[in-house]
Amino acid sequence: EIVLTQSPATLSLSPGERATLSCRASQSVSSYLAWYQQKPGQAPRLLVYDASNRATGIPARFSGSGSETDFTLTISSLEPEDFAVYYCQQRSSWPLTFGGGTKVEIK
Amino acid sequence: EVQLLESGGDLVQPGESLRLSCAGSGFTFSTHVMSWVRQAPGKGLEWISTIGSDGYTHYADSVKGRCTISRDNSKNTLYMQMNSLRAEDTAVYYCARGFRWFASWGQGTLVTVSS
Repeated sequence: EIVLTQSPATLSLSPGERATLSCRASQSVSSYLAWYQQKPGQAPRLLVYDASNRATGIPARFSGSGSETDFTLTISSLEPEDFAVYYCQQRSSWPLTFGGGTKVEIK
Repeated sequence: EVQLLESGGDLVQPGESLRLSCAGSGFTFSTHVMSWVRQAPGKGLEWISTIGSDGYTHYADSVKGRCTISRDNSKNTLYMQMNSLRAEDTAVYYCARGFRWFASWGQGTLVTVSS
């Protein structure tokens, strides 16, 4: 099973600041990594798939990068609605796995 | 618009069974791979099962042998039969379209396993 480790667990930032979230895989997943945003009481929302492709309707301030074992989700300038929990997910091999999440909170 | 609507969540005792349903609309259900993902209270996301358009299935070890995913394409509905439920199965269960990544999710249905 591929383990995804997200860091930091919590990121405290102010609106307008840049957020950099990390996801590290226990073995190579090529570029088969996705990122999701989840707000309290809501289902997750797909942000990025295959490492760097923004999903439909996702603002350009969200960008993904990386390959093999190291991936980054960057939010260029935090909007109030971006404070949430973010998860990465790999589809390189079964079982599909998610990272433990990074909470982006208001500082 | 793609819509997924789960139902069937309930409070059950350990060892009991439950069947979850997920009704899909707004897309050609029969041609899409469908999955279940769960989230324990205050915890992260856990993929548990996927079924292909041709019926192939995959399961997480945590539910293998206790849960069975199925689909009825004539009813545009996905199912998860859950047997021998344990306290650690307590979670919100989401159905999601796809398996490479999940672009569409339902709102979730809560399963609580407690005596």
